[in-house]
Amino acid sequence: GAGVSQSPSNKVTEKGKDVELRCDPISGHTALYWYRQSLGQGLEFLIYFQGNSAPDKSGLPSDRFSAERTGGSVSTLTIQRTQQEDSAVYLCASSEYRYNYGYTFGSGTRLTVV
Amino acid sequence: QKEVEQNSGPLSVPEGAIASLNCTYSDRGSQSFFWYRQYSGKSPELIMFIYSNGDKEDGRFTAQLNKASQYVSLLIRDSQPSDSATYLCAVYTGGFKTIFGAGTRLFVKA
Repeated sequence: GAGVSQSPSNKVTEKGKDVELRCDPISGHTALYWYRQSLGQGLEFLIYFQGNSAPDKSGLPSDRFSAERTGGSVSTLTIQRTQQEDSAVYLCASSEYRYNYGYTFGSGTRLTVV
Repeated sequence: QKEVEQNSGPLSVPEGAIASLNCTYSDRGSQSFFWYRQYSGKSPELIMFIYSNGDKEDGRFTAQLNKASQYVSLLIRDSQPSDSATYLCAVYTGGFKTIFGAGTRLFVKA
């Protein structure tokens, strides 16, 4: 696609429910990143995918968080048993040459846990 | 703990002035440096990247890098009200991760 597409744009969920966030990167971009941005805060790294290599999951805050990338393209971030502290904007980014030329971000998913 | 530090602001400048945004980083092995602009309620947008010591100019924007001082800055000449946003400094430190600063809010007064 022309840009990084994320869905849904907004998600309100009840505490304890599971949610799935989707990211469709720019066609041909081999690197895909998930970041989280809480209100007024910087970007917190969550997970990185590069091609068919094993993902770098070092930023995932707990085992309630998981992510997968199918066919080297679309990625899904899953949060199980959501907590109020999970409320944030979840941003997906992709890049063509990994880190060298910076990232293109999607418009994000605003998650609110009530 | 690898860190990227920015003054949170807000930095307020009059229209037409030069806005100077600063960033320091802790990892001397950092390789690539980026500036992103983020409008309120929007996602970050890449505006500049720099690898080598010195200045890099792109239109009204100039990025400056001093690796010895672990310092990177962004100058915005002829600032416009449309430049009002949060500017995020980002540093690639290796391991396929980029660390972002918390951002500096810039307000350009008309």
